[in-house]
Amino acid sequence: QKEVEQNSGPLSVPEGAIASLNCTYSDRGSQSFFWYRQYSGKSPELIMFIYSNGDKEDGRFTAQLNKASQYVSLLIRDSQPSDSATYLCAVNPMNSGGYQKVTFGIGTKLQVIP
Amino acid sequence: DGGITQSPKYLFRKEGQNVTLSCEQNLNHDAMYWYRQDPGQGLRLIYYSQIVNDFQKGDIAEGYSVSREKKESFPLTVTSAQKNPTAFYLCASSSRSLDSPLHFGNGTRLTVT
Repeated sequence: QKEVEQNSGPLSVPEGAIASLNCTYSDRGSQSFFWYRQYSGKSPELIMFIYSNGDKEDGRFTAQLNKASQYVSLLIRDSQPSDSATYLCAVNPMNSGGYQKVTFGIGTKLQVIP
Repeated sequence: DGGITQSPKYLFRKEGQNVTLSCEQNLNHDAMYWYRQDPGQGLRLIYYSQIVNDFQKGDIAEGYSVSREKKESFPLTVTSAQKNPTAFYLCASSSRSLDSPLHFGNGTRLTVT
């Protein structure tokens, strides 16, 4: 079983719709969770991080965490063509020994159709 | 502005040659990392370093070597022992708190023929 699982997509949504990106993780003790956006040929950039159960909102982005179900999601409201990118889910386990032993999913490719 | 600088952006080498990728940060971060990204495989950790003069192997360290002589610098050498070196290489840094995100450089795309 992969430590962090994402559907590779592509996920296609029309402009203005809500895009829902999902991620599951296997380490029940994981502490912090990150969503990165990566445009083709570029490096990842941080979109959101969350470490408490529930929702965290930042502009058009909402991260949702459910530790009991080992599930984290990213919602993008009013999707724009500029949101078209690959979204990487990253998980930081509890026993990382003082550094960020972050494990990444393979990423979900999002396509926003004008 | 603080950030991470990777150089060069593109690198071409012949098979059998060692090559060194540069990574410098001015974020005053203790920890630095090297990842490799291949299509469809996400990011895989090569090496990481928590402090100067100390580094640890990640998940795919074979065929690579690193050094950490200065806090700001963490160069990666891709040796001739690495069987499939062509990839996109990403350097990152972070502070040591658990909720600190990784900050990435712009990456180096290495092509070995």
